[in-house]
Amino acid sequence: QLQLQESGPGLVKPSETLSLTCTVSGGSISSSSYYWGWIRQSPGKGLEWIGSMYYSGSTYYNPSLKSRVTISVDRSKNQLSLRLSSVTAADTAVYYCARDPYYGMGEGDYWGQGILVTVSS
Amino acid sequence: EIVLTQSPGTLSLSPGERATLSCRASQSVSSSYLAWYQQKPGQAPRLLIYGPSIRATGIPDRFSASGSGTDFTLTISRLEPEDFAVYYCQQYGSSPAFGQGTRLEIK
Repeated sequence: QLQLQESGPGLVKPSETLSLTCTVSGGSISSSSYYWGWIRQSPGKGLEWIGSMYYSGSTYYNPSLKSRVTISVDRSKNQLSLRLSSVTAADTAVYYCARDPYYGMGEGDYWGQGILVTVSS
Repeated sequence: EIVLTQSPGTLSLSPGERATLSCRASQSVSSSYLAWYQQKPGQAPRLLIYGPSIRATGIPDRFSASGSGTDFTLTISRLEPEDFAVYYCQQYGSSPAFGQGTRLEIK
């Protein structure tokens, strides 16, 4: 059974970089034809797709966040990472990682449980 | 930027009834890139239908979707108790966005 688990700091200061890791177990992050991505949800902005990486290594980002987002994969550790720079309070949200089987924008057939990240000094 | 507006904000119905949820886009959207999700409290969103009427794996056929241009509809033909949740539409083309959601509650 595939499992995804987000980890990282729950509190980030404004202007700093948010860094999260999604550890995949029970399967390979290099499995063909899947996207691996991040989506977030906040009370103020609702659901927002952040970006994804195709198994081949191609990355796709939400244009509204593209200048601040980096998604990468460590295949040796079977981990997906998210970096979001210059954060503000508007980036406070629950962040989910997911395996996306169709189009790589949050359609996930497997999800992590989500991690709440608060941006505050 | 495409904005998706869902209506109504809250829909109160009884099990067995038919539910019709609306999603309106601020500009024309390719129906091939319109999806619907269900979310229950404390859970991640679950894909129901995409591109524009393909049910995701395991989604029962009481869920259907239609629409084109700027107006799209999700229909649940006969509500089951487990269908009461929040529903979101999503445009996943060049300007990805989610609607703000419709809460489907038990009357």
